Amino acid sequence: SAVISQKPSRDICQRGTSLTIQCQVDSQVTMMFWYRQQPGQSLTLIATANQGSEATYESGFVIDKFPISRPNLTFSTLTVSNMSPEDSSIYLCSAGGGTRNTIYFGEGSWLTVV
Amino acid sequence: AQSVTQLGSHVSVSEGALVLLRCNYSSSVPPYLFWYVQYPNQGLQLLLKYTSAATLVKGINGFEAEFKKSETSFHLTKPSAHMSDAAEYFCAVSDRGGGGSNYKLTFGKGTLLTVNP
Repeated sequence: SAVISQKPSRDICQRGTSLTIQCQVDSQVTMMFWYRQQPGQSLTLIATANQGSEATYESGFVIDKFPISRPNLTFSTLTVSNMSPEDSSIYLCSAGGGTRNTIYFGEGSWLTVV
Repeated sequence: AQSVTQLGSHVSVSEGALVLLRCNYSSSVPPYLFWYVQYPNQGLQLLLKYTSAATLVKGINGFEAEFKKSETSFHLTKPSAHMSDAAEYFCAVSDRGGGGSNYKLTFGKGTLLTVNP
């Protein structure tokens, strides 16, 4: 069974709307992260999802655009707000620590903004 | 700060030939190093990782990588390429710090491997 599952796996979104991506891990982990992979590019870290507190964002990413929640040790959400075509990317959740002493990635959520 | 440089955005080999994908890292602290593979239209899969045990690390699908501190390198090799190895390969680094930073990865730009029949 998958270690990390993400939903939705793919979506086509209208400009100006928002979409929330869910990440579920099959066991308790200490760390969860969200990455973005723009077309033909490598992965860039958006933020660290902190349980019960505000996420820690990397340079160039802000909470208003990418609000993140992490209510418990196995679940996190990333919202892409007020989307534009430039937000068309794969968004990946990763998790590690706790019972998972390595880093795992979800299959990714492939978003296309039209 | 950490960084990863993958030399060659595209590598092409013949089936049965040696695969060599190059990765050099920069880190102010002893690193953990990883290779991930991404098949077309799929997510990331961990091939192998170096976490300070043996410097020669064996991974899945016949791949291995050697950590060379003096060269700050972690090149990925496979003795004989198979058609199914065609994919994008990413080298990544994390530090060994506390607070979970060892799970936070910095990726290289990736190398696309094509395998010719």
